Amino acid sequence: GAVVSQHPSWVICKSGTSVKIECRSLDFQATTMFWYRQFPKQSLMLMATSNEGSKATYEQGVEKDKFLINHASLTLSTLTVTSAHPEDSSFYICSARDSQTWVNNEQFFGPGTRLTVL
Amino acid sequence: GESVGLHLPTLSVQEGDNSIINCAYSNSASDYFIWYKQESGKGPQFIIDIRSNMDKRQGQRVTVLLNKTVKHLSLQIAATQPGDSAVYFCAENMNSGYSTLTFGKGTMLLVSP
Repeated sequence: GAVVSQHPSWVICKSGTSVKIECRSLDFQATTMFWYRQFPKQSLMLMATSNEGSKATYEQGVEKDKFLINHASLTLSTLTVTSAHPEDSSFYICSARDSQTWVNNEQFFGPGTRLTVL
Repeated sequence: GESVGLHLPTLSVQEGDNSIINCAYSNSASDYFIWYKQESGKGPQFIIDIRSNMDKRQGQRVTVLLNKTVKHLSLQIAATQPGDSAVYFCAENMNSGYSTLTFGKGTMLLVSP
């Protein structure tokens, strides 16, 4: 149980285009999901907290108009990188909390999405 | 031995050795701590957790030690295997409300046969 999937697992796009990444909780409901970014040989940095049915909460320094988050259902959050540039190339990871059995703030992580912007 | 690279410290051990990975956490108000293992190109995988009312917790081949006085956390892996090679992150959290996880910098563990 407690499986989180991401799609796509990797994507290559041209500079200036937008890319959408999906995060799904497969066997549980998640009112709260999180989006992280990880550059090579670095740690995970929280970008934003995605709340079902309401606006996302962005961390300081993360542009909300560039990284659009939509959490329209209890099992799906999407992150859209708008007007992507090479510096947005990174590993994007989502996580989700189980709304029913939320214990110790435990988060279940997805497998990540590798974004490369040419 | 242990070395500090440009971004990621590395611990190199021989198969069968015991490994100790250290982490200094930042928030004295944190009361829940987690160790994650991350293999190349994958998401973090939960290893073990500990609450602040404990100073030691054991799992299968792994032990986490917590020293709140100096805000230090360690992960001990017994009889390290090549499959343990990965990057290990500690994460801290406040077990209240909807607080978020803060990840440490990570340590790369390299296990040679």
